[in-house]
Amino acid sequence: EAGVTQSPTHLIKTRGQQVTLRCSPISGHTSVYWYQQALGLGLQFLLWYDEGEERNRGNFPPRFSGRQFPNYSSELNVNALELEDSALYLCASSRSLREQFFGPGTRLTVL
Amino acid sequence: DQQVKQNSPSLSVQEGRISILNCDYTNSMFDYFLWYKKYPAEGPTFLISISSIKDKNEDGRFTVFLNKSAKHLSLHIVPSQPGDSAVYFCAASSLIGGSNYKLTFGKGTLLTVNP
Repeated sequence: EAGVTQSPTHLIKTRGQQVTLRCSPISGHTSVYWYQQALGLGLQFLLWYDEGEERNRGNFPPRFSGRQFPNYSSELNVNALELEDSALYLCASSRSLREQFFGPGTRLTVL
Repeated sequence: DQQVKQNSPSLSVQEGRISILNCDYTNSMFDYFLWYKKYPAEGPTFLISISSIKDKNEDGRFTVFLNKSAKHLSLHIVPSQPGDSAVYFCAASSLIGGSNYKLTFGKGTLLTVNP
């Protein structure tokens, strides 16, 4: 069974730019979660999508947004990038709503 | 306000000895707890979990203990192996409406097992 996949692996952007990160969940999983792991911090919950709908979002500004497609894959969009957006962005998928399975992450560097 | 706390940023143990990783939480609504392991450049992988109705769950070398009255859980690894060296995240699950749950993670503890 293929795991959660994310693309790209690494990304370098400059302040003010926009970025789109992609995630494909495990087959059969309908929920996709996005987390940010900044240096020295744990996993900060960003967004949760289930069945194409945004179900919950963490304490992040509106310039963090996303969507889930009919095939349950998901995109995370970040507008007007700031230096502190530099982080590892992790996507996870779940079927049981309890245990989440993570992808390898996308390392975003904002210069 | 950090609802899940891992107060030890790092822990170093000798191969073959016991590793004990601790986690404290503040939210009484948490009813399910998980441990994840993360290697560099990889996403976290699920390790073991425990429901709030239990006080212990064991899976091979890994045992998680839950003390609800103290709002404390711990992960024991016995015997520790060099391949266990990784960052360990404690996570707690809470119901946020209907049948929807949310995971709240601690900051992680870096475990180093020395040969």
